[in-house]
Amino acid sequence: EAQVTQNPRYLITVTGKKLTVTCSQNMNHEYMSWYRQDPGLGLRQIYYSMNVEVTDKGDVPEGYKVSRKEKRNFPLILESPSPNQTSLYFCASRSRIAGTQYFGPGTRLLVL
Amino acid sequence: DAKTTQPPSMDCAEGRAANLPCNHSTISGNEYVYWYRQIHSQGPQYIIHGLKNNETNEMASLIITEDRKSSTLILPHATLRDTAVYYCIVRSGGGSEKLVFGKGTKLTVNP
Repeated sequence: EAQVTQNPRYLITVTGKKLTVTCSQNMNHEYMSWYRQDPGLGLRQIYYSMNVEVTDKGDVPEGYKVSRKEKRNFPLILESPSPNQTSLYFCASRSRIAGTQYFGPGTRLLVL
Repeated sequence: DAKTTQPPSMDCAEGRAANLPCNHSTISGNEYVYWYRQIHSQGPQYIIHGLKNNETNEMASLIITEDRKSSTLILPHATLRDTAVYYCIVRSGGGSEKLVFGKGTKLTVNP
């Protein structure tokens, strides 16, 4: 089944404790993105990647890192999480040719 | 990428057509109009997209005005399961992957 998976789905952590949210897709898509969603603000793009080793900032990249060492994986790294990074996070992917994005199920993060 | 404007909320009776408008007055010639929806806090789901011509698939129809400055998503026979937030976004057909989601329209389908 074609899908985007994220892990973990729920995470509670404390300020400053490094964490990684994994994202994996099995559709051989070139493009992958991370979004965060907050009440009243909609979906905002954090980072995106157009291929292996190619990443760029979205609208709200501060406090986040990404890497794209393999085509199927695009982890989101929070080196020193803060409470303002409490949010719902989505990973998405699409092929280079088609514009349709496929979204993962989401990761709900709470930073205390 | 062009920004979009959508009404914050709409209501529709079950079984009736739901018509969701979107303004994208600054859209450029190579930008596509995409519609997604998000049910509760699930991952957004693709519905339909178009460039100039009207489009129809098993989920919905998309009507784009001739000047391309606005579009309407039509759900022909809305059901309770269509209650969701609907997002209209425009995206360049070129290489840019920087996408801007607006706040969307919260559609409530009433029994």
